[in-house]
Amino acid sequence: GQQLNQSPQSMFIQEGEDVSMNCTSSSIFNTWLWYKQDPGEGPVLLIALYKAGELTSNGRLTAQFGITRKDSFLNISASIPSDVGIYFCAGQRAGGTSYGKLTFGQGTILTVHP
Amino acid sequence: NAGVTQTPKFRVLKTGQSMTLLCAQDMNHEYMYWYRQDPGMGLRLIHYSVGEGTTAKGEVPDGYNVSRLKKQNFLLGLESAAPSQTSVYFCASWTGGMTEAFFGQGTRLTVV
Repeated sequence: GQQLNQSPQSMFIQEGEDVSMNCTSSSIFNTWLWYKQDPGEGPVLLIALYKAGELTSNGRLTAQFGITRKDSFLNISASIPSDVGIYFCAGQRAGGTSYGKLTFGQGTILTVHP
Repeated sequence: NAGVTQTPKFRVLKTGQSMTLLCAQDMNHEYMYWYRQDPGMGLRLIHYSVGEGTTAKGEVPDGYNVSRLKKQNFLLGLESAAPSQTSVYFCASWTGGMTEAFFGQGTRLTVV
């Protein structure tokens, strides 16, 4: 089964509010990626994290690679209507029998009310 | 630069029919992936490849086969389609390391 647990599954917020979502894993990952998917489209990369403890921002988005390498979170500040979509975390393990495997979380469906 | 291209974009199959989905990338990426996306299930990994001539099973490999005869192409085959394989299929490619994985636009498959 899936190795990444992403929460929450869905969020309904007002425009201007901040949003936080996270992913946890039973396995250690060397890379954490956060994607957004719009309806009818493939996922598009938002932020990539490559080092434990790394904190990276991309505009209103901030993501962190957990120190244990088993978790990551994504924050969106001052949400706007175009933030609506499905957000996915993804992790890749570099070694062992799962070398190169890229696993996704279940996704967080974000709805922003104007 | 086309990136990742999936063919076809839509397909309807009858139960028991076979078909092959093609994923092509022009970025010389080593890693390629096939996922299926179902409502509430996120993206589930079917099979993946870490280089030409190699394939590995993901989380939901049953009912699917793959081949990576050329580095730029990753084929996903359904030998005998079942209604449970109705889904949206996404291909992705990645060079690994400090870069991003790119996705195709998806293939919507319906098995009736």
